[in-house]
Amino acid sequence: AQSVTQPDIHITVSEGASLELRCNYSYGATPYLFWYVQSPGQGLQLLLKYFSGDTLVQGIKGFEAEFKRSQSSFNLRKPSVHWSDAAEYFCAVGARNDYKLSFGAGTTVTVRA
Amino acid sequence: GAVVSQHPSRVICKSGTSVKIECRSLDFQATTMFWYRQFPKKSLMLMATSNEGSKATYEQGVEKDKFLINHASLTLSTLTVTSAHPEDSSFYICSARREGRGYNEQFFGPGTRLTVL
Repeated sequence: AQSVTQPDIHITVSEGASLELRCNYSYGATPYLFWYVQSPGQGLQLLLKYFSGDTLVQGIKGFEAEFKRSQSSFNLRKPSVHWSDAAEYFCAVGARNDYKLSFGAGTTVTVRA
Repeated sequence: GAVVSQHPSRVICKSGTSVKIECRSLDFQATTMFWYRQFPKKSLMLMATSNEGSKATYEQGVEKDKFLINHASLTLSTLTVTSAHPEDSSFYICSARREGRGYNEQFFGPGTRLTVL
């Protein structure tokens, strides 16, 4: 069974500063990997995904993530955060056979002026 | 494309009543939909996989008789919380799997906030 660990529960970052959210996964094969963002009281919006190929993935809203097989990681980055980036971020891993997603516990991002 | 809606967005009910939540794929057909539950400040927990025309598959620890799932058409799945109690209060999110070539992504609804008094 797959699992996801997001080590950081809460991150506070200044507007304009860079942001990196960590994600480690456990899966027996090459996984499908996702980052979602959730604003308060809202559903999930897909930021980016990795299926195969180039390990550096570009997403929406200026986000990118890098798949590192040797470290079982899929960290999310943004060079310069905006106040609107304050939200909950979830990393997820999908199995290649049944499409079920396993989510990490989430990281809350607070942006200070 | 790939829009999923949920109705209602928010519901308050009395303890002991049943509540139905609808999940619709608006612009694609979905033979498979998923239901998740999210507690405050917590991750999403998969409750069940809803399969069109057949019984839902529940995750371990989820009460089938408490959370009834019906997937009667290729665009609609419903979750009924029967005899709801305060501990059933939560944010319920559905997703629909869009089939096609390659990996079939899930698209998420906006969620339903259930409060049981």
